Amino acid sequence: KAGVTQTPRYLIKTRGQQVTLSCSPISGHRSVSWYQQTPGQGLQFLFEYFSETQRNKGNFPGRFSGRQFSNSRSEMNVSTLELGDSALYLCASSPSSGTGGGEQFFGPGTRLTVL
Amino acid sequence: DAKTTQPTSMDCAEGRAANLPCNHSTISGNEYVYWYRQIHSQGPQYIIHGLKNNETNEMASLIITEDRKSSTLILPHATLRDTAVYYCIVRVAEAAGNKLTFGGGTRVLVKP
Repeated sequence: KAGVTQTPRYLIKTRGQQVTLSCSPISGHRSVSWYQQTPGQGLQFLFEYFSETQRNKGNFPGRFSGRQFSNSRSEMNVSTLELGDSALYLCASSPSSGTGGGEQFFGPGTRLTVL
Repeated sequence: DAKTTQPTSMDCAEGRAANLPCNHSTISGNEYVYWYRQIHSQGPQYIIHGLKNNETNEMASLIITEDRKSSTLILPHATLRDTAVYYCIVRVAEAAGNKLTFGGGTRVLVKP
């Protein structure tokens, strides 16, 4: 079975621009979660989508948004980029949400650099 | 979810067992202990989880104390490829969603 894939792997943007990151979960997995990893804050939960609905949201500003498609693929969007948005963005998939959802499979991440 | 405390870093010798402690003194009865690791520049990898019994899989063993206030992840024969940051996470069994709360983790360096 193919693992979680994320595209692009690397991205360079400038302040004020917006960016869209993509995640394809493992086949059959319906839950996709997004995390941001920075040296200062570590790994932080952004949001989770399950069956095209947002289930949970972390403590991030509204500039961070996401969606999930009927095939479970997910995208996250960051608008009006700031320097502090430079980070590794990780996507994780799981067959279920809630009970049993603790075992998640992470993708390799997208490294975003904001100049 | 309960807070966890882990040592910041530890070294271990290749071929020896690596014992990674985690303190979760405020854990509730319905919270599982999960372990993940993150090898440099890769996404975290699930290792093992448990509720109150000891667990073992092909990667590691998880020993949870009887009072459940602490646990130890054991890598039986550490290799250089086990060098990574190891995260101990406590998560409610019937959580409303899949959110994982990562702490700082333990940076493990396996030395030849």
